[in-house]
Amino acid sequence: GAVVSQHPSWVICKSGTSVKIECRSLDFQATTMFWYRQFPKQSLMLMATSNEGSKATYEQGVEKDKFLINHASLTLSTLTVTSAHPEDSSFYICSATGSANQPQHFGDGTRLSIL
Amino acid sequence: AQSVAQPEDQVNVAEGNPLTVKCTYSVSGNPYLFWYVQYPNRGLQFLLKYITGDNLVKGSYGFEAEFNKSQTSFHLKKPSALVSDSALYFCAVRDIPTELIFGAGTRLAVHP
Repeated sequence: GAVVSQHPSWVICKSGTSVKIECRSLDFQATTMFWYRQFPKQSLMLMATSNEGSKATYEQGVEKDKFLINHASLTLSTLTVTSAHPEDSSFYICSATGSANQPQHFGDGTRLSIL
Repeated sequence: AQSVAQPEDQVNVAEGNPLTVKCTYSVSGNPYLFWYVQYPNRGLQFLLKYITGDNLVKGSYGFEAEFNKSQTSFHLKKPSALVSDSALYFCAVRDIPTELIFGAGTRLAVHP
């Protein structure tokens, strides 16, 4: 089945550091990738949608300059949390889909802890 | 606007018993409905989807879901629960063009 690889799975870093999270579709071309944030015991909150070769579309309340998204190829999207602070600590999950009729396939998530 | 509701925060079932996790939806137009499962510290795994066709959809790990248009429901079911089914389950509806709208999630606890 379709596989999405997300890396790293766990990051612990100091406040002020920038952190890059990669999301790769391993066996299909992902025309659209999504980035979610999940707080403990809560549902997923969509942060942004990115289409290959285009600028990402951010949801209301998500800072574009804080969460930089790049979708440079059909198999790779990256999320960079710039100048991370403790309030950015969360579980970040990416997903990818090849077409509107196909389900989204999710990565295993990245747990980000900012000290 | 599209939305889904999962009315139960948690469902408790004894192993071997049938389980149902409820989901109702609100859409304009034809619904594209999905069920996902999340294990601790993991991403979501796709279980099944309904787009068109038979109202009873079969998915992974023995799960199935029944689409009921008159009740606007898409309940997830399994005839015999396993302890390993214990996880967080999300119902979702696809918004235009590809965005998923998730329910709040239902925690399923299967007891030995």
